[in-house]
Amino acid sequence: DAGVIQSPRHEVTEMGQEVTLRCKPISGHDYLFWYRQTMMRGLELLIYFNNNVPIDDSGMPEDRFSAKMPNASFSTLKIQPSEPRDSAVYFCASSLSRALPFFGPGTRLTVL
Amino acid sequence: TQLLEQSPQFLSIQEGENLTVYCNSSSVFSSLQWYRQEPGEGPVLLVTVVTGGEVKKLKRLTFQFGDARKDSSLHITAAQPGDTGLYLCAGAGGTSYGKLTFGQGTILTVHP
Repeated sequence: DAGVIQSPRHEVTEMGQEVTLRCKPISGHDYLFWYRQTMMRGLELLIYFNNNVPIDDSGMPEDRFSAKMPNASFSTLKIQPSEPRDSAVYFCASSLSRALPFFGPGTRLTVL
Repeated sequence: TQLLEQSPQFLSIQEGENLTVYCNSSSVFSSLQWYRQEPGEGPVLLVTVVTGGEVKKLKRLTFQFGDARKDSSLHITAAQPGDTGLYLCAGAGGTSYGKLTFGQGTILTVHP
């Protein structure tokens, strides 16, 4: 069984560059979540979708962050322009209906 | 904003010792989850507790939900090196169980 798939697993970029993180949820799941994990703030919910529609984006830190879900099997989280303080591990998670989510392996982002 | 305070942040013990991790909140959650996370991976669900006073056991791990559903504890008996990892508590509320509020985590190291 394929779990949540995230790519890339590691991303190193320079400040000011655009970064796009990708996620493929578990097939059949109708909820998709983007979380960010840092040493200082722990795991925080950024945004979540239900049936491809953004439901709550109150955790998105600023306008530099955007997320899309064009179809049920793909989502992106984009940071433009990136800043060093965006360095973190970004997790995508998906769930069926209101069940607890399964997390992907994460993308470790380093912004120099 | 609902917050979860987890303690201790770090725990370093010898194989065979017992330990307890605490998770406290000023708010009531509809359910509380415990996750374990290993380096380079996403959090993996260990248990969900829903009812006040509930106790669940998973081999050497015992989970308890406080009567008021605001606090929880994880007790490990006779810890083993394989128990080493980051332990996270997370509260669920609202319309989706995927909208989780996480504690800061406890980094457990069990030395052989």
